[in-house]
Amino acid sequence: KNEVEQSPQNLTAQEGEFITINCSYSVGISALHWLQQHPGGGIVSLFMLSSGKKKHGRLIATINIQEKHSSLHITASHPRDSAVYICAVSGGSNYKLTFGKGTLLTVNP
Amino acid sequence: DTEVTQTPKHLVMGMTNKKSLKCEQHMGHRAMYWYKQKAKKPPELMFVYSYEKLSINESVPSRFSPECPNSSLLNLHLHALQPEDSALYLCASSLRRPGTNTEAFFGQGTRLTVV
Repeated sequence: KNEVEQSPQNLTAQEGEFITINCSYSVGISALHWLQQHPGGGIVSLFMLSSGKKKHGRLIATINIQEKHSSLHITASHPRDSAVYICAVSGGSNYKLTFGKGTLLTVNP
Repeated sequence: DTEVTQTPKHLVMGMTNKKSLKCEQHMGHRAMYWYKQKAKKPPELMFVYSYEKLSINESVPSRFSPECPNSSLLNLHLHALQPEDSALYLCASSLRRPGTNTEAFFGQGTRLTVV
């Protein structure tokens, strides 16, 4: 069974700060997903990674397969970035997405 | 169109009611999923449909009954629910099933309250 650990659980930042959220997993995977969920809302897929690095606007996601570790970075954070960020992994014969517990990000103006 | 659309957004139902949740996607995805999410918890997988056939049932009680009438539509029929079934119900779709390199697209969810 894959264990997915995220850190930190809660993160408060000032507008404009650079944010990093970390995700570690225990078993080899075929893909890692970063998801965003606003309070009471649905889930938005931000990235799917199997290697290297991806960038979309102010968001950057990296993955190190050997270290079984991924990071999500937000540059020039904004209050609208306030949400729960969830790391999830899929792989092998496991048909399930295994979710981390999420990181609650609050960006203050 | 990269959306998964769920209706209704909110639903309040009594324990003797029968209701249905609806999910629709027009991305040509052949795998569709129902998840249940309680407050401040990650989503829990309930059902997986692959090519309109139920491929996974995560030991979900029979008061939840999924249906996939066609490749774009997924329903969840609800009957005789309990208050502890109150949760956010999320639908998702992917081009292929998880376990392959396939991105999941989620809907906005239906907030269900059982009274």
